[in-house]
This record gives sequence, structure tokens and C-alpha cells, in this order.
Amino acid sequence: DMKVTQMPRYLIKRMGENVLLECGQDMSHETMYWYRQDPGLGLQLIYISYDVDSNSEGDIPKGYRVSRKKREHFSLILDSAKTNQTSVYFCASSLSPWTTNSDYTFGSGTRLLVI
Amino acid sequence: GDQVEQSPSALSLHEGTGSALRCNFTTTMRAVQWFQQNSRGSLINLFYLASGTKENGRLKSTFNSKESYSTLHIRDAQLEDSGTYFCAAEAPGYQNFYFGKGTSLTVIP
Repeated sequence: DMKVTQMPRYLIKRMGENVLLECGQDMSHETMYWYRQDPGLGLQLIYISYDVDSNSEGDIPKGYRVSRKKREHFSLILDSAKTNQTSVYFCASSLSPWTTNSDYTFGSGTRLLVI
Repeated sequence: GDQVEQSPSALSLHEGTGSALRCNFTTTMRAVQWFQQNSRGSLINLFYLASGTKENGRLKSTFNSKESYSTLHIRDAQLEDSGTYFCAAEAPGYQNFYFGKGTSLTVIP
């Protein structure tokens, strides 16, 4: 069963702590994404990765960084978490965006609360 | 500004009825996707279209690139169709899909 797996599902962190969100996919997709979802704002792109060590900023990269050392794994890192980073974070993967059928598969999300 | 505008923002349907959700785009788009976010928060991919119409069960989606819109038709609505529906569109030369703010659908018994 092809899927995107996110860990953990729920996370509570104190302001200033480091946060690591992990995402894996078993479809050999080249492209992976991190989004955050906030009420009234829809999904906003944080980072996109085109392949191993080939990452680009999305629309709201400030306060985040990413790591992709293997094609199947894409990590989102918050160095010194802030309360305004409380959100639901979604990872997604797709074939190359330059293909004709680059539809997304989403993970189940990580609900992060920063206190 | 927003490149993807969804309407309506909220919709209630009685079981067995149907309606259409719409996305308008402020620029020419290359492809569109539709997702359902269910009560558990999971995002389920419903359709990917580069043009034309696709149908799957009680759902049908159309993408008109020339007129910059896409629609998602739901017929014979069931309780499990409740959730938030998002469209996302990709502009030529860009490498990701931009999401609308969603339509919250409630199906009433």
C-alpha cells in the first residue's frame, strides 16, 4: 500500500526547544513537500525538495529548515520553536513536477503545540 | 494575492442531493488537484486534471484552463462526504501547487 508516513502524530514542545518532524514515503517519489495548515489560511508551502540534497524554500520558510539525505525521507526542523509555529504540519510527495501526472500523496499530519 | 479562490466557503447539503464547488484562478494554470480533508484531518486526493473532465463514483471534476476555473460536482451526497474540500492549482513554470482556502461541506441526514 503506497503511502506517506509522518512521525510523530502529536507533539508538545516548549518555546525555544528544537523540533524534528519526520516524513517517509515508499513510492520512490522524487519530490517531497512540507506544508502547514492553519485555520482560515489553508495550506501554506514551507519547503519543497526535488531530490536528495536539492531543497528550495516555499512561501513561508522563515524559522524552518529541512534535510533530505535519502530519497524516501524528508525532515522538517524547527530550531528554537516559537508559539506561532503551533500548527498542523503535512508532508506530501509526488513524482517530478515536470511530469504530466504529478499528483500529491499526503501524510496524516503532525499536530504541533508550542507552549 | 490569492491565486486560487474557492467558493462557496461553506455548504450544507441534505443526503441524496448534490451541488458544485468551484475554484477560480487569477492566472493560467497547468493542472489542478482536488482533495477532501475528512473528520480525522487526513487529506485524500480525489482528482488530478491537466484538462477536461474526470469522474469517480458520485464525484466529477472539470478543469477549464482557458477560462481559468475548475469545478467539483458531488451527487447523491452521503454523510461520509462531509469535510473540507480543497483545490490546488499549478501555474506553468512553477513547481508546486497553490491551495485554495477550502469549502467546508456538511451533509445533513
